[in-house]
Amino acid sequence: DAKTTQPPSMDCAEGRAANLPCNHSTISGNEYVYWYRQIHSQGPQYIIHGLKNNETNEMASLIITEDRKSSTLILPHATLRDTAVYYCIVRAAGGAGNNRKLIWGLGTSLAVNP
Amino acid sequence: GAGVSQTPSNKVTEKGKYVELRCDPISGHTALYWYRQSLGQGPEFLIYFQGTGAADDSGLPNDRFFAVRPEGSVSTLKIQRTERGDSAVYLCASSSQGTDKGYTFGSGTRLTVV
Repeated sequence: DAKTTQPPSMDCAEGRAANLPCNHSTISGNEYVYWYRQIHSQGPQYIIHGLKNNETNEMASLIITEDRKSSTLILPHATLRDTAVYYCIVRAAGGAGNNRKLIWGLGTSLAVNP
Repeated sequence: GAGVSQTPSNKVTEKGKYVELRCDPISGHTALYWYRQSLGQGPEFLIYFQGTGAADDSGLPNDRFFAVRPEGSVSTLKIQRTERGDSAVYLCASSSQGTDKGYTFGSGTRLTVV
C-alpha cells in the first residue's frame, strides 16, 4: 500500500504559486520523499526528491517538515502546462532489489486555470 | 537515445493471444523498470532489472507475465493468453545504477484486450 496521503484534487490560478501537500506520517529514517507528475496521456515525469533538507531545482521546491511526517511541493509560478496529476512517493535509499520499486497512490490532480 | 522509447504505442489484441511490449531505455542506464497503469490509478510495479537479471519480479501478477533483458539494454515484456483485465498502459522506466535520483519514464504502451 502507498505510504502517502494527498488531496485528490486542487485548483490554482495561472501565475500563482501551487502548494501541493503530502502526508507521510509513517516515514522511516532512511526513506526519501519523491515527487513525480503525469500529464495526460504521458508517462510520469520526475520532479524532485529530498531526505530531510528542503530542496529546490528548476522545476519546483520541496519543503519537508522537521519531523518529516509531511511535505509540500511548491510550483512557484504555475502555468497551464503544469496541469497534471502529482504523485508523492516515499522510498528507501540504497540499491537493494526490493528497495527500488515505487509504490504509487492516486496523487493530486492539479488544475491550473487561466 | 535521448529518452526511454516504448513500442508499440498502442496495441489491440484478442483475448487469449500473446503479446510482446518493447522498451528501449536511455543509453547507459543499467536499471530498468516495468509498471502498468489502469485508468484513474497510479502506476503499479511489475518488475525491476539491474543489468540482465531481474532483481525484483514481485509485482508480476501471475505466470502469464514474463520479462527479459538479455543484453542489459532493451527489455521485452511478454504476456501470454491475454485477458481483458490485462488492458492497461504499460510503462517502462530506466535509471543509472546506484543513484537515488528519479527515474525516466517512457510514454507507455496502451494495451487493449478485446
